[in-house]
Amino acid sequence: KQEVTQIPAALSVPEGENLVLNCSFTDSAIYNLQWFRQDPGKGLTSLLLIQSSQREQTSGRLNASLDKSSGRSTLYIAASQPGDSATYLCAVCSAANTGNQFYFGTGTSLTVIP
Amino acid sequence: DAMVIQNPRYQVTQFGKPVTLSCSQTLNHNVMYWYQQKSSQAPKLLFHYYDKDFNNEADTPDNFQSRRPNTSFCFLDIRSPGLGDAAMYLCATSRAGGGQPQHFGDGTRLSIL
Repeated sequence: KQEVTQIPAALSVPEGENLVLNCSFTDSAIYNLQWFRQDPGKGLTSLLLIQSSQREQTSGRLNASLDKSSGRSTLYIAASQPGDSATYLCAVCSAANTGNQFYFGTGTSLTVIP
Repeated sequence: DAMVIQNPRYQVTQFGKPVTLSCSQTLNHNVMYWYQQKSSQAPKLLFHYYDKDFNNEADTPDNFQSRRPNTSFCFLDIRSPGLGDAAMYLCATSRAGGGQPQHFGDGTRLSIL
C-alpha cells in the first residue's frame, strides 16, 4: 500500500523567506501528485497538480517538483507571506479499477511570522 | 462556478443518534469520495462511488454508510455515532481515468455530545 510522508511536520519562518516543503512516497507507480492547502477548520484547496510525466509545475510564487523514480516531491514557496500560513498536504494518485485512489500525507503546518 | 458543496458546515449530534451529511457537485464528475479527517491527521478515505458503484475501504467501520441517488448528490450516514467519530468529513470529486485531480468541498465538522 502506498505510504506518503511529509517533512517537516511543522515549520515557522519569518516573512519574506523562501521555503521548501517535502513529500515522499513509497510506490513510484503513480498517475499524479497534488499539493493542497488547508486552513484551520476548512476543506482542501488545490494548489498544484503534477502529472507523472512532468517534472514541475508553477503557479505564482509556488513551484512543485516531482522525481517519480526516487519517490519525492517538493513544494517551493518564494517570498513567503503571513497569508501563506496554513497546513500543506500532498496526495499521490494511484490507479484503481474503481476510480483513482488518493493517498495523503499528514501535512506540514506552516507559520509565516510578520 | 462549478464546485463541491457540503452541508451543513457544522453538525452537532448526540451520542448514538443517526446523522446524515450531504455533498453535492456541479462538476458532473463520475467519482465521489468521502474522507474522515481527525485533528492533525491525514484525510482517511472511507469509501467512494464510481458512478453508481459503491467501493468501501476495508477498514471503514460498519457504522458508516453512503448513498448516491444521482450524479450530483452523495450522502454519508453515520448510524450510531460514537465519540470517536467526531471529525471533519470531507467530500471530493474527480473524473474517472488516470491523472485526474480531486476537487474538495469545505467539509462538515461533526461534533458528538
